[in-house]
Amino acid sequence: KAGVTQTPRYLIKTRGQQVTLSCSPISGHRSVSWYQQTPGQGLQFLFEYFSETQRNKGNFPGRFSGRQFSNSRSEMNVSTLELGDSALYLCASRLGTGDSPLHFGNGTRLTVT
Amino acid sequence: GESVGLHLPTLSVQEGDNSIINCAYSNSASDYFIWYKQESGKGPQFIIDIRSNMDKRQGQRVTVLLNKTVKHLSLQIAATQPGDSAVYFCAERTGTASKLTFGTGTRLQVTL
Repeated sequence: KAGVTQTPRYLIKTRGQQVTLSCSPISGHRSVSWYQQTPGQGLQFLFEYFSETQRNKGNFPGRFSGRQFSNSRSEMNVSTLELGDSALYLCASRLGTGDSPLHFGNGTRLTVT
Repeated sequence: GESVGLHLPTLSVQEGDNSIINCAYSNSASDYFIWYKQESGKGPQFIIDIRSNMDKRQGQRVTVLLNKTVKHLSLQIAATQPGDSAVYFCAERTGTASKLTFGTGTRLQVTL
């Protein structure tokens, strides 16, 4: 079974621009979550989508948004980029019920200049 | 490779020895815990999980111990190998099983 796939692998953007990151979950997984990883703050939860609905949200500003499609694929958008948004953005999927663990992709490395 | 943390605690062990990585969690109401391994340039990889109604769970070469009294979690790796070198994170559930709170991580270095 293929793992969680994230595209692109690397991105360089300028302050003020916006960016869209994509994620394809493991086949059969209905829940997709996004995390931000930085050296200073570690891994922080952004949001979770299940059956095209946002089920949970972390403490990030409204510039961070996401969506999930009917095939469970997900996108994350960051608008009006700031230098502090530079990070590794990780997508993770799970079956969506019970205590099934999260399985992560290898992330998208976003650099904001 | 990409750094996941600039000042992580580091555990150095010799190949073949057993490793014990410790983690203190914050929420006494947490009921589900996971250990992840992250290698340079990759995302966290699931190792093993445990629910709060258990105090021990074993996998292949790994054992997780949970002490709810002192809010402590540990990961034991038997016969540590060079391929075990990575950063290890514990995570606790604070809502649905997708909303995890991660620890700061421990870097495991395996020496030959």
